[in-house]
Amino acid sequence: DQQVKQNSPSLSVQEGRISILNCDYTNSMFDYFLWYKKYPAEGPTFLISISSIKDKNEDGRFTVFLNKSAKHLSLHIVPSQPGDSAVYFCAATGAGGTSYGKLTFGQGTILTVHP
Amino acid sequence: EPEVTQTPSHQVTQMGQEVILRCVPISNHLYFYWYRQILGQKVEFLVSFYNNEISEKSEIFDDQFSVERPDGSNFTLKIRSTKLEDSAMYFCASRTDSYTGELFFGEGSRLTVL
Repeated sequence: DQQVKQNSPSLSVQEGRISILNCDYTNSMFDYFLWYKKYPAEGPTFLISISSIKDKNEDGRFTVFLNKSAKHLSLHIVPSQPGDSAVYFCAATGAGGTSYGKLTFGQGTILTVHP
Repeated sequence: EPEVTQTPSHQVTQMGQEVILRCVPISNHLYFYWYRQILGQKVEFLVSFYNNEISEKSEIFDDQFSVERPDGSNFTLKIRSTKLEDSAMYFCASRTDSYTGELFFGEGSRLTVL
């Protein structure tokens, strides 16, 4: 099942710089996209989301961009901090109603932010 | 801050044994989920539960799996006869009735089947 893909297994960034994590999807029925962050031995923690009617959503240091025509989204973290080091998952959902909680996850990208 | 709690954090069992994983979702949430992550693989949807019944389940969720909300607070996942391939981290999640895009996940229960 490759409906949501994160092609970069890892990303290394210097503190203070921008981190850009990418995600591609194939299912045209997806209309809501989310980013989750996960530390070892913890559950995923919600970061930010975007509806398909928007192309950008911003929350503090985190911005998600959606390009529907390319079926691509990205998460920008500016400035990156060492505490941002974690696994980042892209997830998608759609079809409405009770199906909204049925998330399809990408494989995750390990972000390491060096001091 | 309210959180989803799961017990046990780690369970080791013999193949063929029954296992029950427990979750206490956030109290005003109405939709409940189980996900799992096999080591090195993606987080996968197992089942969603709303209004005291399963609303959707994946092909992974076969007859060996069941869920229930026995007392209005706990939400359990039962595996009747565990297999080696059931070894995974199992995550419970919940959300409110208005979809804001946010599922709240518990810290997970690691199941090891020997």
